[in-house]
Amino acid sequence: NAGVIQTPRHKVTGKGQEATLWCEPISGHSAVFWYRQTIVQGLEFLTYFRNQAPIDDSGMPKERFSAQMPNQSHSTLKIQSTQPQDSAVYLCASSPRGEQYFGPGTRLTVL
Amino acid sequence: AQKVTQTQTSISVMEKTTVTMDCVYETQDSSYFLFWYKQTASGEIVFLIRQDSYKKENATVGHYSLNFQKPKSSIGLIITATQIEDSAVYFCAMREGVGDNSKLIWGLGTSLVVNP
Repeated sequence: NAGVIQTPRHKVTGKGQEATLWCEPISGHSAVFWYRQTIVQGLEFLTYFRNQAPIDDSGMPKERFSAQMPNQSHSTLKIQSTQPQDSAVYLCASSPRGEQYFGPGTRLTVL
Repeated sequence: AQKVTQTQTSISVMEKTTVTMDCVYETQDSSYFLFWYKQTASGEIVFLIRQDSYKKENATVGHYSLNFQKPKSSIGLIITATQIEDSAVYFCAMREGVGDNSKLIWGLGTSLVVNP
């Protein structure tokens, strides 16, 4: 059984460019979560979907971040006009019920 | 507001010994769920064990067990017979809300080093 897949594993962007991160959840899992991890802030919740519907985006910076889940097999996190403070590891997790299973993360570096 | 606190930033132990990592939490919910994860040096985050607040028995999985003290809002992780490969950062997390799949609130982690 494949785990959560995240692509790309590493992404480098210039300040002001757009970054799109992809997540493929474990088949059959009904919920998909996005988190961000930095040394300073630790693990921060961004948003989550249940059965493809957005449920809670309370952690998302409103102006430049957006997330979608167009079908049950993938979700995207888009960051427009990236800034150096967006540099972090972005983690996707999926869950059938209860515990969450994490992907390897995408390390985003904004120069 | 919900909060999870891990006061130990790092612990160093000898192989084959037992280690306990502390975690305290704050919640207004009467029903909640507590989790421990570990993050390896490669960055992989792995689910270890969970405790549901309504269960009185401490959860045990393999050489991981929990010390759940509900009156103290405490959920300690106990690792027995530690191995070198247990070296990692351990995170305590709490799931708020009554739904099955609500977000996790995380502690800042405890770094465990197991020495040969």
